[in-house]
Amino acid sequence: TQLLEQSPQFLSIQEGENLTVYCNSSSVFSSLQWYRQEPGEGPVLLVTVVTGGEVKKLKRLTFQFGDARKDSSLHITAAQPGDTGLYLCAGEVIGANNLFFGTGTRLTVIP
Amino acid sequence: GAVVSQHPSWVICKSGTSVKIECRSLDFQATTMFWYRQFPKQSLMLMATSNEGSKATYEQGVEKDKFLINHASLTLSTLTVTSAHPEDSSFYICSAHPSGQGGDTQYFGPGTRLTVL
Repeated sequence: TQLLEQSPQFLSIQEGENLTVYCNSSSVFSSLQWYRQEPGEGPVLLVTVVTGGEVKKLKRLTFQFGDARKDSSLHITAAQPGDTGLYLCAGEVIGANNLFFGTGTRLTVIP
Repeated sequence: GAVVSQHPSWVICKSGTSVKIECRSLDFQATTMFWYRQFPKQSLMLMATSNEGSKATYEQGVEKDKFLINHASLTLSTLTVTSAHPEDSSFYICSAHPSGQGGDTQYFGPGTRLTVL
C-alpha cells in the first residue's frame, strides 16, 4: 500500500503549457517535500512545505500544501523542456523519522 | 555544503557474488542515513534506516541478512548486497540526515546502479 499517491503518473505536454501534479494521502504529514529526479541521478529537493494551506513559489513552480496537511500540488507555468523529469512528493509522518515517497510523476515537455 | 557521495556509481556483477556500496556525507556528520531502492520507472522505496553505532532498522519485506548495513562512522554507511541475483538489479540511493538538525531534512546521494548478470 502506497502512502502517497501521485497523479498523473505520466504527463507529456508541449512547451509553454501549464500543468498540475497532485500528491494525495489519507495520512497527515508534519511536512511535505517535492523533489525532481533526472535519470541516473539522486532526487534533488525543490521545496518543503510545513503549514496547512501554505503556498510557495519557485520561479515558474507553485507548491501548495492542503489545509489538512494530507495533500499537496505542484503547478508549473509555461513548462520548458528543462522541466522534464520525475517529480516526487515525500511526506514526513508525525512521529516517524523517515520520509515516505509518493508514486512519482514522470513529466516530459516536448519542444 | 551538504553533499552526499556514493561509490561506486555503477557496478555489474555476476549472480551469487556480493557487492558493497558506500554512502558518505562529505561536509557534515550524519547519525542517521537511509537506503532506498528504485526500480525502473518507479518511485523510491525505503529499505532501511542506518544508525551510527547501532543496528539498522529494516522496512517490512527487506531481508536484513541479504542487505547488510554498516554505519561505522558519522560520515559513512555501507550497504552490502550479499549473494546478489538478477532481481536485485536496481538503482540504490542513500540519503543522510545531518546530526543535531531538527525536522527530517535528508540530502541524497547520486545513486548506484547495480546490474546483476
